Amino acid sequence: GIQVEQSPPDLILQEGANSTLRCNFSDSVNNLQWFHQNPWGQLINLFYIPSGTKQNGRLSATTVATERYSLLYISSSQTTDSGVYFCAAGPNDYKLSFGAGTTVTVRA
Amino acid sequence: DADVTQTPRNRITKTGKRIMLECSQTKGHDRMYWYRQDPGLGLRLIYYSFDVKDINKGEISDGYSVSRQAQAKFSLSLESAIPNQTALYFCATSDRGQDEAFFGQGTRLTVV
Repeated sequence: GIQVEQSPPDLILQEGANSTLRCNFSDSVNNLQWFHQNPWGQLINLFYIPSGTKQNGRLSATTVATERYSLLYISSSQTTDSGVYFCAAGPNDYKLSFGAGTTVTVRA
Repeated sequence: DADVTQTPRNRITKTGKRIMLECSQTKGHDRMYWYRQDPGLGLRLIYYSFDVKDINKGEISDGYSVSRQAQAKFSLSLESAIPNQTALYFCATSDRGQDEAFFGQGTRLTVV
């Protein structure tokens, strides 16, 4: 299956700071999603973005499919942004491969 | 109410016991999945189902079985639980042609 690598593994931010999370994938994809896992373990859909750019409030994402990477931007971070961010990529919905995640800690 | 509901949310069981995790969805999606998450790792696919009569093994199906009782219900069974099956289990759904997957709240299973 597709290999998905996320960086950095850990990120500590001061409240109000901006950050960029990266997801590299080893082959072409038709499905790429970003999730936020909150401290209770729940997986929240952030973006479905196999290509292009999307924005939702303080979060935005860009996928450059030809260069096999996706970026998640967090602006003006808040403590509620803490958690683990996962990238999942694959040729379709039933062959998604997950990265190991980026653990984000936002300090007040 | 959640669109993808898993029961139970937490379970502690003993080695050798049979246990079933259940998932139901109100999204009307035809595809359902079971994933497993181990600490510090991403999710890995156990089984997936395209419809009631179409069930497929995922990356780590050994030691697990599934049943798709209806379009909206997909259960995961551990026939004889072992400690290394301690993990967070997720059910997910997607719709053919839409691709975006949606996850349940997770079931935290501990095998002692």
